[in-house]
Amino acid sequence: EAQVTQNPRYLITVTGKKLTVTCSQNMNHEYMSWYRQDPGLGLRQIYYSMNVEVTDKGDVPEGYKVSRKEKRNFPLILESPSPNQTSLYFCASSYSTGSFEKLFFGSGTQLSVL
Amino acid sequence: AQSVAQPEDQVNVAEGNPLTVKCTYSVSGNPYLFWYVQYPNRGLQFLLKYITGDNLVKGSYGFEAEFNKSQTSFHLKKPSALVSDSALYFCAVRDNRGSTLGRLYFGRGTQLTVWP
Repeated sequence: EAQVTQNPRYLITVTGKKLTVTCSQNMNHEYMSWYRQDPGLGLRQIYYSMNVEVTDKGDVPEGYKVSRKEKRNFPLILESPSPNQTSLYFCASSYSTGSFEKLFFGSGTQLSVL
Repeated sequence: AQSVAQPEDQVNVAEGNPLTVKCTYSVSGNPYLFWYVQYPNRGLQFLLKYITGDNLVKGSYGFEAEFNKSQTSFHLKKPSALVSDSALYFCAVRDNRGSTLGRLYFGRGTQLTVWP
């Protein structure tokens, strides 16, 4: 089944403890991106990747890192999480980098930083 | 900068009545516009998109959207609402400029409630 898989689904952690949220797609998509969803703010783009080894900042990249070493994986890294990073995170991918392409979303990761 | 506005946080409509969820945009150049829907505890799902051509775009689940260039709007519509349409709806615009091609901007979302 074609899908975008995020893990974990839920994560509770403490301030300063490094964590990684994994994202994997099995559709051979070129484009991948990360978003955070906060009440009243909608979705905001954190980082995106147009292809392997090509990543760029979105609207809210501070406090996050990403890497794209393989086409299928696009992990989101929080080196030193803080409470203001408590949010619902979504990974998404699309077939190509064209602006006309629709996105396929993962099921989300609910992160709580205490 | 590219941006999208959804002026209504909530829309309530009776089942069987037509529904409209509003979206306005601000872009440089030609707009690439999308609607996505989010059901509870799920990721977003693609509904429809406008790239070019017909101003009325048809999408999934009987939804359609009307692109209006003069009013910079892209309102989502459905002729007859179902209770199962109750969800959170997001309008989005994709950046089409070379240096920032991968950027995507979402509205804040509109919660649609269809009551029986």
